[in-house]
Formats: sequence, structure tokens, C-alpha cells
Amino acid sequence: NAGVTQTPKFQVLKTGQSMTLQCAQDMNHEYMSWYRQDPGMGLRLIHYSVGAGITDQGEVPNGYNVSRSTTEDFPLRLLSAAPSQTSVYFCASSRGASGTQYFGPGTRLLVL
Amino acid sequence: AQKITQTQPGMFVQEKEAVTLDCTYDTSDQSYGLFWYKQPSSGEMIFLIYQGSYDEQNATEGRYSLNFQKARKSANLVISASQLGDSAMYFCAMSPLDFGNEKLTFGTGTRLTIIP
Repeated sequence: NAGVTQTPKFQVLKTGQSMTLQCAQDMNHEYMSWYRQDPGMGLRLIHYSVGAGITDQGEVPNGYNVSRSTTEDFPLRLLSAAPSQTSVYFCASSRGASGTQYFGPGTRLLVL
Repeated sequence: AQKITQTQPGMFVQEKEAVTLDCTYDTSDQSYGLFWYKQPSSGEMIFLIYQGSYDEQNATEGRYSLNFQKARKSANLVISASQLGDSAMYFCAMSPLDFGNEKLTFGTGTRLTIIP
């Protein structure tokens, strides 16, 4: 049982490049979410999903796309990276309304 | 919309003393959940404790307790008998229960430093 895994751990991009941050969980959780954490701030919700095929926007969705084709995976796509997207990205999953959110270890992204 | 306010950017506490981390919240939701997470210097987010808005008793988890005062909209975290390993960032968060726990709103955090 690996919990929530994220890859890569660290990535450097140039402005305008695209990439996908991977997130997977093996706990059969229905709910998955993506957050970003900037210095001096708490985590902010980017996108979330309540099940396969269902996604919705969070507080800061601009510049990011998500899809949820399986229960296990919830990738986050940066279409055209900008320096403002330099941040630490966390993926989380939970079983539902009564479930604790389990966080992945995070991906540190630097956009030059 | 939901909002979490943590007014203590940093705290220094002597080892073995109790510590209270403040958290106030604002929401128009009738039912909601309140959470505390710990983030050590290694960066991972560790769940500490949960309180549902309809729970009449304060939540406790080992040395952690949540002092929930609904009328004051506060959800302070109390750590009893602090240890050096408690040094970390602490985040208060909330979620509307109707949406489960996938929509957490976080505060800006409190950096707790335990002094030997």
C-alpha cells in the first residue's frame, strides 16, 4: 500500500513548455484533489474530482487541466508554463465526506 | 466562500509546555469540517485532527485536541506536553461537508518552534 504517489519530485521548465504532473493512489479513494503551495501561504485548491470522469475547478484553476479516466490516477497538466506557476504541488485523496485527506509528497516545480 | 485565518505567523514554546495554535474561520455553510495539518521541514502534509461542525464534543487525538467554539467560529489546536519533534508549520483548514473533503480551504499557517 503506497498511499498517494507523485512524480516527478522536482522539475525545471522553461516558460511556454508543457508538462504533466502525475498522481496515483492505491486506496480506492473516490475523491482526489490538486493543491499548490506558494511561500508564506497555505495550500490553494486547483482542481478536484469526486470520481472517475468527474472533475471541477477549485480556487486557482487557470493554466491547468485535469482528467480522471480511472479511480487511481489524477494527472495535472500545465499547458504553457509561466513563472507564476513556480510552486510546490500536492495531490491528495480521500474516501469521502467522512474520510481524511491523504497527501502525496509533493512536486516542486520551477519555471524559468 | 470559506475563509480561514491564522493570526500567529510564528511561535516559540519551551519543551514540555502546552501550546495553543489559533484558528478562526468564516463560512456560510451549515455543515462543515475543520482540520489541522502538520508540515515538517521535509515538506509532507500530515493529518492531525478533524472536527465536524455538528460534533458537540471537542475532538482529541493523543496529545492533540481541537478546542471548537462554534459561536466564536474558532477551532484552536492544543498540543499538550510539547516535544522537539513538534517543531513544524501547522495549517488549519476547512471543507464544506456536502462536498466531502476534497475541497479544503487552508489558512496561511503558524510556524511552531519548540525550544529545548
